[in-house]
Amino acid sequence: DVKVTQSSRYLVKRTGEKVFLECVQDMDHENMFWYRQDPGLGLRLIYFSYDVKMKEKGDIPEGYSVSREKKERFSLILESASTNQTSMYLCASSPPRGRSSGNTIYFGEGSWLTVV
Amino acid sequence: SQKIEQNSEALNIQEGKTATLTCNYTNYSPAYLQWYRQDPGRGPVFLLLIRENEKEKRKERLKVTFDTTLKQSLFHITASQPADSATYLCGTGRRALTFGSGTRLQVQP
Repeated sequence: DVKVTQSSRYLVKRTGEKVFLECVQDMDHENMFWYRQDPGLGLRLIYFSYDVKMKEKGDIPEGYSVSREKKERFSLILESASTNQTSMYLCASSPPRGRSSGNTIYFGEGSWLTVV
Repeated sequence: SQKIEQNSEALNIQEGKTATLTCNYTNYSPAYLQWYRQDPGRGPVFLLLIRENEKEKRKERLKVTFDTTLKQSLFHITASQPADSATYLCGTGRRALTFGSGTRLQVQP
């Protein structure tokens, strides 16, 4: 069964702290994604990666960075957390386009981050 | 990037009726559209994918249509049940999915 695991379900951090959100997938997927979800704004793409050590900016990359040292792991880093980064963060993965499952993506359960 | 619009107002229907949710896109014509279900506090779960050359796709009580002229996809749940209550998201994209804000469906018993 497909599984995307986010290491922390709930976090509370202080303004200015460096925050790491970890995500692991067990499906050998090439593509991995980080989204944030806010009421009324829906899911917004922060960064994605289509291969190890490769990354591309999404729609809202400011204030974030990512790391993909291994295929199964994709980390989201908040260099200096701010209160406007309080949100639910969703990690996802997908196989490359062209496979039978197309671009279907598989989400983790989400990480609720509160910055105080 | 693609802009996806879904009705942000909640849809309330009676059990047994058909729920119809709308997804409109405004930029390039996508090769496919995907629909996901999201329960409160959980990650979205894939439901259906429809390609641009498919007019309609079905899966059990679910039906999705794709009208490239109207730039619209409709998502139908027939014989709706309270367990169908959730937020439904529409998404598409060339390299990464862009999603609409979702429509919350509430099925009343």
